[in-house]
Amino acid sequence: NAGVMQNPRHLVRRRGQEARLRCSPMKGHSHVYWYRQLPEEGLKFMVYLQKENIIDESGMPKERFSAEFPKEGPSILRIQQVVRGDSAAYFCASSPPTGYWNNEQFFGPGTRLTVL
Amino acid sequence: KNEVEQSPQNLTAQEGEFITINCSYSVGISALHWLQQHPGGGIVSLFMLSSGKKKHGRLIATINIQEKHSSLHITASHPRDSAVYICAVRNTGNQFYFGTGTSLTVIP
Repeated sequence: NAGVMQNPRHLVRRRGQEARLRCSPMKGHSHVYWYRQLPEEGLKFMVYLQKENIIDESGMPKERFSAEFPKEGPSILRIQQVVRGDSAAYFCASSPPTGYWNNEQFFGPGTRLTVL
Repeated sequence: KNEVEQSPQNLTAQEGEFITINCSYSVGISALHWLQQHPGGGIVSLFMLSSGKKKHGRLIATINIQEKHSSLHITASHPRDSAVYICAVRNTGNQFYFGTGTSLTVIP
């Protein structure tokens, strides 16, 4: 049973380009969380999704950021027109379908985004 | 003031010592998580607590809801325990708050 997979592990983009980060949850998990860790800062919650639904996006910046978790395929965090301040580590976590954050989460290895 | 405060910020211990990391929070919560972030950046969820105490191997986590406080204990510490330990809570309004982490170094 593979763990949570994220790809790419490292992503370099120039200002103004788009970044797409992918997260495949553990088998049997239908809840996905995205977190961001800025350099020298703590983790911040971004968004919580279940299959085909965004449950809580209160941590998402209002512009340029979007997330989806389609019926088939990985969850995708999309950042349009990236800026240098988007450079961070983006972590995905998944959990079984037994309640909102009331279960152990399994983290992926993260995607380190660098914006030049 | 942060909604989640951890102490100490940095901790150095000799191998074999008993370690305690504290987490205090100021909001009503529905769940509290302890996370471990390794030097390479990977994150592991250690515990999810809503009451009482949990134990996993050499790790013990306790929570006191009335006092809004949780502790993470490591017995017989080992150099491989060296990591950043993060306390995170979800409040009853479904907002998330993370502590800034406690950086632990265990010296052989």
